[in-house]
Amino acid sequence: EAGVTQFPSHSVIEKGQTVTLRCDPISGHDNLYWYRRVMGKEIKFLLHFVKESKQDESGMPNNRFLAERTGGTYSTLKVQPAELEDSGVYFCASSLLGLAGGEQYFGPGTRLTVT
Amino acid sequence: AQSVAQPEDQVNVAEGNPLTVKCTYSVSGNPYLFWYVQYPNRGLQFLLKYITGDNLVKGSYGFEAEFNKSQTSFHLKKPSALVSDSALYFCAVRDSNAGGFKTIFGAGTRLFVKA
Repeated sequence: EAGVTQFPSHSVIEKGQTVTLRCDPISGHDNLYWYRRVMGKEIKFLLHFVKESKQDESGMPNNRFLAERTGGTYSTLKVQPAELEDSGVYFCASSLLGLAGGEQYFGPGTRLTVT
Repeated sequence: AQSVAQPEDQVNVAEGNPLTVKCTYSVSGNPYLFWYVQYPNRGLQFLLKYITGDNLVKGSYGFEAEFNKSQTSFHLKKPSALVSDSALYFCAVRDSNAGGFKTIFGAGTRLFVKA
């Protein structure tokens, strides 16, 4: 079974540019989450999808961030325009529907550097 | 508000010795507690969880953790450390009463096991 995949693995962009990160969850996982870790700090929750619907986007920093999950399969996270403080590692995770106590399966992350 | 504290940035232990990685949490309701491990250039991998029942939970690779409600702690332990256990460990919590799937992570503890 394929795990959670993320693309790209690394991205270096200049301040003001746009970047789109992609996440492909494990097939059949209706829950999809985005997280971000800034160097040495905690992994911060950004948002949670159930299928194509946003269930909780309380962690999204501001309106420069836009997440979508069309068709309830893969998800994209767009940052436009990027700022220096957006640098960090963005993780995607997925889990089975209906299991609040269930563990999440994480992708390897996308390391975003904004210069 | 939910929070997780991992008070040690790094834990050093000799191979064969017992190890403990500390975690304390704060939630308003009943906690779901998790430990994840991250190896270099990989995503987080689930180790173990506490949902309900026995306070001592056993997980992958010989790890275990004890839920202590009065101390709001969920320390990760292993009786005999291996060099291959060297990695970054994250504690996480969900509030089961919050009705959602939002997971709060700690900042991580780097475990270094010396041969």
